[in-house]
This record gives sequence, structure tokens and C-alpha cells, in this order.
Amino acid sequence: SAVISQKPSRDICQRGTSLTIQCQVDSQVTMMFWYRQQPGQSLTLIATANQGSEATYESGFVIDKFPISRPNLTFSTLTVSNMSPEDSSIYLCSVASGGGYTFGSGTRLTVV
Amino acid sequence: GEDVEQSLFLSVREGDSSVINCTYTDSSSTYLYWYKQEPGAGLQLLTYIFSNMDMKQDQRLTVLLNKKDKHLSLRIADTQTGDSAIYFCAESSNSGYSTLTFGKGTMLLVSP
Repeated sequence: SAVISQKPSRDICQRGTSLTIQCQVDSQVTMMFWYRQQPGQSLTLIATANQGSEATYESGFVIDKFPISRPNLTFSTLTVSNMSPEDSSIYLCSVASGGGYTFGSGTRLTVV
Repeated sequence: GEDVEQSLFLSVREGDSSVINCTYTDSSSTYLYWYKQEPGAGLQLLTYIFSNMDMKQDQRLTVLLNKKDKHLSLRIADTQTGDSAIYFCAESSNSGYSTLTFGKGTMLLVSP
């Protein structure tokens, strides 16, 4: 199965600022997924990122708020823009790998 | 849309068996997954089952699938305190090319 390195693992940010989360995969993958897990909740898909094309966003998520880059088949970033306390969550990237989906270790974001 | 339901909490004593249940609504679900999330950590894929299977066993884990009732269960034999975590059931219609729909997670608490 693929191994994903996600960073930062956690951050505390001021409202109005932006944070970029990075995921590096140890193998080439076609699709990468970004999820949000709000406190005490399940995972919600933010967007699907293919290399060389714009990410596909789920209902309720927009590119201006969550811009995604996918410059190659092993790397992706998610930016949380103009943050508010409501953005405090765990953000996880994921790829399809080894018959299942592998997840990064997550980025715990707290917005103050 | 697709929906995945789980009971929210399960408490067992060390050495007992744990059974976590999940129901789903999408009749086109092809793959069903169980993930484990320990506090402050990302998601770890425990096991998965294809929809054409009834059962899958992997060491202490047994997955049962009743496709007619759209019911999935995860049995953990000889539950240990290290098994305490949140367990997520998830489904997709096509591994690698489809997103996952997650349940809200079942918190398993194992007491000594």
C-alpha cells in the first residue's frame, strides 16, 4: 500500500489567515482525495484532485476557500483560506492503494 | 444520496468479542471498508470486503456482509485495550475511481 506523508500534523492559526497542507505519496497515483473531519464528526469529502486538471469539489466546498494544487502524480496541497473558527477540523488526504484507500495522518487545525 | 449508519458507542471488557454494526443504503456499493482511528491520529485501513463476499476473516477480525439487508459487521475477537478507538464503516461503488462515504463512526471502549 502507498505511504502518505502529510504535514503539518497540527497548527494553530489566526482567523483571516491561510494554511497550506501538503501530502506526499511514495508512489504515483491518479487521484487524490481531500477530506475534512469536524470535531466529533465523520469524514466529509472536500474535493478530488487529478494531476493536470482542476480539482472537483463537493457540494458546499468552493475553490476560492479550498484551493488545491496537484502538480504531479505524487504530491498535492490543500489551502484553507481566510480561516474562521468554523474551519477548525482535521484535514486528511487519501489515495486509492492496495485494494483500499490509504489516508495521511491528518492535519489538526485550530483557528483562534 | 448514499447513507451509512453506525451505532455511536460500544463498551466491552478486555478479552470479550466486540461486534460493530453498519448499515448502508447504496445498492451499487461494491467495496465496504472498516477503518480505525485512534485519538489524534489518521485513519488506518483495517480490512475491506467485496460485495460478492459474505465473510472475510483476518486474524482477530471477522467481517460479515449481508448484502440483501445492506448490513455489515466487524467482529473483533479477544478485544484488547489497544483496540479502543473509533471505527468507521465506509462504502464505495468502485475502488480507486470513486469516493468513500463514511459512517459517523463507532467509539469502542475496552475496559480492563
